[in-house]
Amino acid sequence: AQRVTQPEKLLSVFKGAPVELKCNYSYSGSPELFWYVQYSRQRLQLLLRHISRESIKGFTADLNKGETSFHLKKPFAQEEDSAMYYCALRLNSGYSTLTFGKGTMLLVSP
Amino acid sequence: GAGVSQSPSNKVTEKGKDVELRCDPISGHTALYWYRQSLGQGLEFLIYFQGNSAPDKSGLPSDRFSAERTGGSVSTLTIQRTQQEDSAVYLCASSLSGQAYEQYFGPGTRLTVT
Repeated sequence: AQRVTQPEKLLSVFKGAPVELKCNYSYSGSPELFWYVQYSRQRLQLLLRHISRESIKGFTADLNKGETSFHLKKPFAQEEDSAMYYCALRLNSGYSTLTFGKGTMLLVSP
Repeated sequence: GAGVSQSPSNKVTEKGKDVELRCDPISGHTALYWYRQSLGQGLEFLIYFQGNSAPDKSGLPSDRFSAERTGGSVSTLTIQRTQQEDSAVYLCASSLSGQAYEQYFGPGTRLTVT
């Protein structure tokens, strides 16, 4: 069965420092990968997906099939980036359900 | 338009009682999902409805959990004979279709079993 691993429960950085939230997956096919974010007292929402190759709020993520990773990066963290981040996988574009990792709490201090 | 709504926002119940959690998806969304969010476990998929197809119940943790979706819209998640380990936030999400990549989440129902 597919699995998504986020090894860090908590990542604490100072404002302006680079951030990398790690995500590894186990699946032998060609999945779609996503990052979802939940800010304090807000709903869980989609941040970005690997297919779009976008930069959202300064965040980027590259799918590395060789390393089965989809790490989320931002060169200069801001306090408003503090949130819970979930990496998610779906088996392919024809599939429906998402498998989520356990999440990483990002805290950005001033 | 309105987003996904869930009720109640909080529910405290005694162990052994049954509870019903409600989800109103975004109008026009044919796909509806239930997840459980608990500390240390992240988001666990519970059940998925797509149109009139048979639901994917593969994530339900036990036969105490069931869900239905009436008229292709509102869904109810029922937990019978609640246990303390059922305490969690139950999230509902909907999407335009099962193939749509973006799921829109509700605010969740926080269930506490005492």
